[in-house]
Amino acid sequence: DSGVTQTPKHLITATGQRVTLRCSPRSGDLSVYWYQQSLDQGLQFLIQYYNGEERAKGNILERFSAQQFPDLHSELNLSSLELGDSALYFCASSGDGKETQYFGPGTRLLVL
Amino acid sequence: SQQGEEDPQALSIQEGENATMNCSYKTSINNLQWYRQNSGRGLVHLILIRSNEREKHSGRLRVTLDTSKKSSSLLITASRAADTASYFCAPEGGSYIPTFGRGTSLIVHP
Repeated sequence: DSGVTQTPKHLITATGQRVTLRCSPRSGDLSVYWYQQSLDQGLQFLIQYYNGEERAKGNILERFSAQQFPDLHSELNLSSLELGDSALYFCASSGDGKETQYFGPGTRLLVL
Repeated sequence: SQQGEEDPQALSIQEGENATMNCSYKTSINNLQWYRQNSGRGLVHLILIRSNEREKHSGRLRVTLDTSKKSSSLLITASRAADTASYFCAPEGGSYIPTFGRGTSLIVHP
């Protein structure tokens, strides 16, 4: 158990819908990362937050957005969902953003 | 790019044998991390090796780093069926964000 929690574990929704994925980092970790893992793209970095502020952006679509709240939990919002958004979405956390990242169990999203 | 590329893509061995996986990357790094992922599960951190380190051990795992060749290797000794998983290397550049390749799929037969 990494100490990073993600909810929900599974999500099934329809094209065009919007969903919110939630992540709670390990106690004391200030940095949160979001990744998308799909069969064709592999594990892609989406975005990083550090203590509430966006720190780095990767291959995140404009239909996706994220935020980190004062209690340091983070949410990833996916809107106007397409079939191709079906994937595993992982959250990871680290202490100061330069240390080992610890991954949560992931949210499996299926868009029908 | 910073992305690591693992080789081989797949490896099948018998229990008790050693497994070696290689990783190459293209630009300079600060750290390089190795992770394991069991099918459909989260990634488990194995080892972090810094750019000024050449070798690191953790139990049955041995990681080497050659920054002049921009390559790293992960050796699992005396493999077990429970080691069956995908293994990823993740180089980190100036942003300290791991970038993942496609991984090596390891199957250890009992």
